[in-house]
Amino acid sequence: DTEVTQTPKHLVMGMTNKKSLKCEQHMGHRAMYWYKQKAKKPPELMFVYSYEKLSINESVPSRFSPECPNSSLLNLHLHALQPEDSALYLCASSLPTPGNTEAFFGQGTRLTVV
Amino acid sequence: GESVGLHLPTLSVQEGDNSIINCAYSNSASDYFIWYKQESGKGPQFIIDIRSNMDKRQGQRVTVLLNKTVKHLSLQIAATQPGDSAVYFCAGNNAGNMLTFGGGTRLMVKP
Repeated sequence: DTEVTQTPKHLVMGMTNKKSLKCEQHMGHRAMYWYKQKAKKPPELMFVYSYEKLSINESVPSRFSPECPNSSLLNLHLHALQPEDSALYLCASSLPTPGNTEAFFGQGTRLTVV
Repeated sequence: GESVGLHLPTLSVQEGDNSIINCAYSNSASDYFIWYKQESGKGPQFIIDIRSNMDKRQGQRVTVLLNKTVKHLSLQIAATQPGDSAVYFCAGNNAGNMLTFGGGTRLMVKP
């Protein structure tokens, strides 16, 4: 199994809603990531988890709250988002060992904030 | 932060021709450089990587060249096929296995 599975594939939410994005992998990877990708732009790193602990937060607003319940799951809780937060949210995983460059990406969740 | 690639050009090639996709980087801190392919509606897919102490690496139909003197990275695709049509991103790998992506290049293959 070399897949990273993200749900839902599409999400439309209002600015007062609370929703969660989910990511799952069963490759034994202990590093997991959230990226945000706007149209025609490269992915931008948001968060890095290493061994289920948050290791990097790239100055992401607190309306985005990550959670890593176990080594296979990664969530991104959303609350009070703005329309400019509409984007493709990508989850990725990799071995956390130095020099391992092959990150596996999910297909993303296409988020629209109305 | 590190900047890898700053533009999104489009490259159009004929099926069967070779493709060369370029990327410039501004910070030499990366230990590795990686090329990713992103098809429409999908997440990025790893293609090939190169250590910063190498200047060339070959894979199946792909070759990555690294010129540290001018901070330039290229991806060569031999005998380009319609299935190669996608956006290609270069990325630099930093401490903590963080990836910093360049702006990407759209490859369009004409049959």
